[in-house]
Amino acid sequence: QSVLTQPPSVSGAPGQRVTISCTGSSSNIGAGYDVHWYQQLPGTAPKLLIYGNSNRPSGVPDRFSGSKSGTSASLAITGLQAEDEADYYCQSYDSSLIAFGGGTKLTV
Amino acid sequence: QVQLQESGPGLVKPSDTLSLTCAVSGYSISSSNWWGWIRQPPGKGLEWIGYIYYSGSTYYNPSLKSRVTMSVDTSKNQFSLKLSSVTAVDTAVYYCARVTYSSGWYQDYWGQGTLVTVSS
Repeated sequence: QSVLTQPPSVSGAPGQRVTISCTGSSSNIGAGYDVHWYQQLPGTAPKLLIYGNSNRPSGVPDRFSGSKSGTSASLAITGLQAEDEADYYCQSYDSSLIAFGGGTKLTV
Repeated sequence: QVQLQESGPGLVKPSDTLSLTCAVSGYSISSSNWWGWIRQPPGKGLEWIGYIYYSGSTYYNPSLKSRVTMSVDTSKNQFSLKLSSVTAVDTAVYYCARVTYSSGWYQDYWGQGTLVTVSS
């Protein structure tokens, strides 16, 4: 059971906007620790998507954006494309532990 | 371009020690980064195992700390993981990664992963 809670699945049609939530607590996100997001395409290693709550590494399309407020964070994907179908994980820090969310499967 | 490649046995017997190595290319392991191991049981989510700095400083997951040992070999530009007394629950894809500390810890480069099965 992860200290960061994500919905197991979300879905959207091509071109639509979806958001994936990552809910924490006062010991992790609420304590001010940053949130990072990873995309894992089927059968591949995770890829860094967002770091430091809202920063995109070079090469990540601006269709992907991150935000954080209070004890939660969100990943938003606009202009959904078929290639966005993947698992998405949030990550933060909690009590001497690097914590990952349980992951969210995005179906396009 | 930073590249990481895991290597090691794909099958380990229960109660034995799992040993994996991560070879780093395109980047010096002695640069100002930590290096990490993350695992993913089949069909499940990601679990952090631990981080190591090139100097040998380590930072382990408390739930695995008693069984984990990480080391660095700067001459070979690689780092390693040992997990002792393995059981079936340790069956997973093991990833190595470069870790950056900026706005918190995160993994910015990952290896392709290697499946380790614990079975007799």
